[in-house]
Amino acid sequence: GQNIDQPTEMTATEGAIVQINCTYQTSGFNGLFWYQQHAGEAPTFLSYNVLDGLEEKGRFSSFLSRSKGYSYLLLKELQMKDSSSYLCAAMDSNYQLIWGAGTKLIIKP
Amino acid sequence: GAVVSQHPSWVICKSGTSVKIECRSLDFQATTMFWYRQFPKQSLMLMATSNEGSKATYEQGVEKDKFLINHASLTLSTLTVTSAHPEDSSFYICSARSGRTPKDTQYFGPGTRLTVL
Repeated sequence: GQNIDQPTEMTATEGAIVQINCTYQTSGFNGLFWYQQHAGEAPTFLSYNVLDGLEEKGRFSSFLSRSKGYSYLLLKELQMKDSSSYLCAAMDSNYQLIWGAGTKLIIKP
Repeated sequence: GAVVSQHPSWVICKSGTSVKIECRSLDFQATTMFWYRQFPKQSLMLMATSNEGSKATYEQGVEKDKFLINHASLTLSTLTVTSAHPEDSSFYICSARSGRTPKDTQYFGPGTRLTVL
């Protein structure tokens, strides 16, 4: 079956770095997406990886290892506004997104 | 980035009534639109996928006669929850994509919070 695993909740300190991991199993693979979702709001797109390696975009970076079925989202210089849920989603061979349950990130001063 | 609107943002209705939710892509043509449902602290659950001009494809366990989807144009899709019941109370989110390839990112509407009394 298809499955996405990510931690339920993580806590980090303002100014620090945090890495949110995601493992996936899908029927075929067409890329890995990360979305941010604030409480009560719809997800917003953060990153897309289809090739192995690290993609950097400002304070946020995303990494993919296709052979390991593994990705992570790296957030640097954490700000209080980064407190949110982060959703990992893998696109299968039918171009459908398979969603993880999300990781709630709590930032403390 | 691309903008997707959703209307209404929230709705409260009595059990047994029908509720229509609109999803519009404002600055691009959406060949494919998706309808999701999300319960508190849970993942997005895909309900159905609709392509413009054709019938929606429903996920297993989603009643097509209860959740009517119409994708009449390249910028508009509607979800009608018929004979709503309290268990239908949820956060409904649409998303739109201009193509079928991964580079065509899904853009999400702001969501509609439905409460059925």
